Amino acid sequence: NAGVTQTPKFQVLKTGQSMTLQCAQDMNHEYMSWYRQDPGMGLRLIHYSVGAGITDQGEVPNGYNVSRSTTEDFPLRLLSAAPSQTSVYFCASRKGTSGTDTQYFGPGTRLTVL
Amino acid sequence: QKEVEQDPGPLSVPEGAIVSLNCTYSNSAFQYFMWYRQYSRKGPELLMYTYSSGNKEDGRFTAQVDKSSKYISLFIRDSQPSDSATYLCAMRGVTSGTYKYIFGTGTRLKVLA
Repeated sequence: NAGVTQTPKFQVLKTGQSMTLQCAQDMNHEYMSWYRQDPGMGLRLIHYSVGAGITDQGEVPNGYNVSRSTTEDFPLRLLSAAPSQTSVYFCASRKGTSGTDTQYFGPGTRLTVL
Repeated sequence: QKEVEQDPGPLSVPEGAIVSLNCTYSNSAFQYFMWYRQYSRKGPELLMYTYSSGNKEDGRFTAQVDKSSKYISLFIRDSQPSDSATYLCAMRGVTSGTYKYIFGTGTRLKVLA
């Protein structure tokens, strides 16, 4: 199993550009999430999905869109990049809603917006 | 006030030392408590989880939860240079949004050989 994979690893954008961060998992997990990690802020939830076709907002959703057309894939779209979106983005997945279900993280995408 | 507070460090210790990492929290609804380890430029990986109060041991790692004080700890015995990483605490409340976790900011640990 590859686990949770993310592409690209690094990306530099100019203000106003759009892009999609890819996330895929091969563990047949229903629940997937996107987080951003900033110094002094910890991991903050952007959007999450409880299954194909179902998504919801997290703590910091503004400026981001998600969709979940398959169980495996959960892309994150930046609509019009801003310098405030410079961050490290992590995708995560887990099997179910039990508190004992392990959440698996991808390796991250480092995004810089100039 | 943040729901979860964690000292960012860095914390430097000699090899073989006992390390104590801590988090405090304010939401009494938290029931699940987790510790993640994050190596530089990698994603977090789950080390341990504890449900409600008590201790849990796994090899050199011990997790403690004191709900009366809203305080959780991770102890690392016989620390090794390979333990050098950032340690994140995380919590989840049974009564909060089912699919959400609250993370601490992480404590950076360096174990010196």
